[in-house]
Amino acid sequence: TQLLEQSPQFLSIQEGENLTVYCNSSSVFSSLQWYRQEPGEGPVLLVTVVTGGEVKKLKRLTFQFGDARKDSSLHITAAQPGDTGLYLCAGAGGFKTIFGAGTRLFVKA
Amino acid sequence: NAGVTQTPKFRVLKTGQSMTLLCAQDMNHEYMYWYRQDPGMGLRLIHYSVGEGTTAKGEVPDGYNVSRLKKQNFLLGLESAAPSQTSVYFCASSLIRVVDNEQFFGPGTRLTVL
Repeated sequence: TQLLEQSPQFLSIQEGENLTVYCNSSSVFSSLQWYRQEPGEGPVLLVTVVTGGEVKKLKRLTFQFGDARKDSSLHITAAQPGDTGLYLCAGAGGFKTIFGAGTRLFVKA
Repeated sequence: NAGVTQTPKFRVLKTGQSMTLLCAQDMNHEYMYWYRQDPGMGLRLIHYSVGEGTTAKGEVPDGYNVSRLKKQNFLLGLESAAPSQTSVYFCASSLIRVVDNEQFFGPGTRLTVL
């Protein structure tokens, strides 16, 4: 059974701080995705990483895929209250996707 | 485009009652999925469909049935609801592309079974 473990489960920080959240697995995935989910809504895709070692940037968010394609990290620079939400990583294999339990981020103004 | 829509948004059932959740997408996607989301457990796949008229079991299919009679609709049925089925249910759809496999989610249905 493929599993994705996310850490930390919960993170509360002040506006302007930097943070990194992690997504780890013992399985290899063809691609890894990060979604953000806001209260009362469905997840929305932020990025997909495909190649081992790949780094993608989305404004203040930096995503990295591990060399062995088993793990990924999300780094946020100078967090803002608008970054508040549940961040989910997801491993894609074929047409099914395995989701982690998520990191709930709260950014205080 | 409305994207993915779900009906209803909220529902309270008594144990043993039945109901159907409706999902509709207007993006002409081939693949559709039903997930449940519980605290601390992330999204778990219940059933999915790779095209009109086809369905398959996911990770947690017991107690649920699905149908995909039309490409744009994916129905999730609970024949005899149990308190363990209290959850938030999300429908999603995606194109055929395998590697990217971006899924577009609906807003969710919050179901409580008493």
